[in-house]
Amino acid sequence: ETGVTQTPRHLVMGMTNKKSLKCEQHLGHNAMYWYKQSAKKPLELMFVYNFKEQTENNSVPSRFSPECPNSSHLFLHLHTLQPEDSALYLCASSLADQTGKGGYTFGSGTRLTVV
Amino acid sequence: AQTVTQSQPEMSVQEAETVTLSCTYDTSESDYYLFWYKQPPSRQMILVIRQEAYKQQNATENRFSVNFQKAAKSFSLKISDSQLGDAAMYFCAYRIPSTGNQFYFGTGTSLTVIP
Repeated sequence: ETGVTQTPRHLVMGMTNKKSLKCEQHLGHNAMYWYKQSAKKPLELMFVYNFKEQTENNSVPSRFSPECPNSSHLFLHLHTLQPEDSALYLCASSLADQTGKGGYTFGSGTRLTVV
Repeated sequence: AQTVTQSQPEMSVQEAETVTLSCTYDTSESDYYLFWYKQPPSRQMILVIRQEAYKQQNATENRFSVNFQKAAKSFSLKISDSQLGDAAMYFCAYRIPSTGNQFYFGTGTSLTVIP
């Protein structure tokens, strides 16, 4: 295990369902991120939390709702998704490093399929 | 716009041989950090190597090294003595301190290692 745990590993949901993705880290990191990974596209940053405060929301549709109750846990709540939302959703964490040199630690992702 | 281009969607290499993955990027910033990440079938992104843009010396991590050409905005990854475990997707990325915590990723190169 790498330090960033994502559950579930796979998720199939209907367009009217509500589900949540969970991410957990115990690395002492204070920044957490949600990324969307689609085939043949660059990773898309969705949300950033620094010290539990959301600092970025890259024009993500409101059907995706993040929650960060503490610096170790991050959720992505999903509702009324579309088939084009099917993708691998990656969580990452890092130190809130203003120098820019720090890397991320990634989880193994949740493979989401919307039917 | 901040962009990363990986022009080789797929590459293959014979086991024990050397392969180079290309990456170019576009930024007007002078201070930034460059990264190569590996994503094996387990899906977890792993940091392979990191380069500070202000350093002229190319970074090296065991069998992995980079050829950083700042003027050309090129950041290629060389894998020497390729092993079966090197088979994965490889993503080039950079991070600019002035933009906070956001990484900019390329679309990835799928590397196959032939026994």
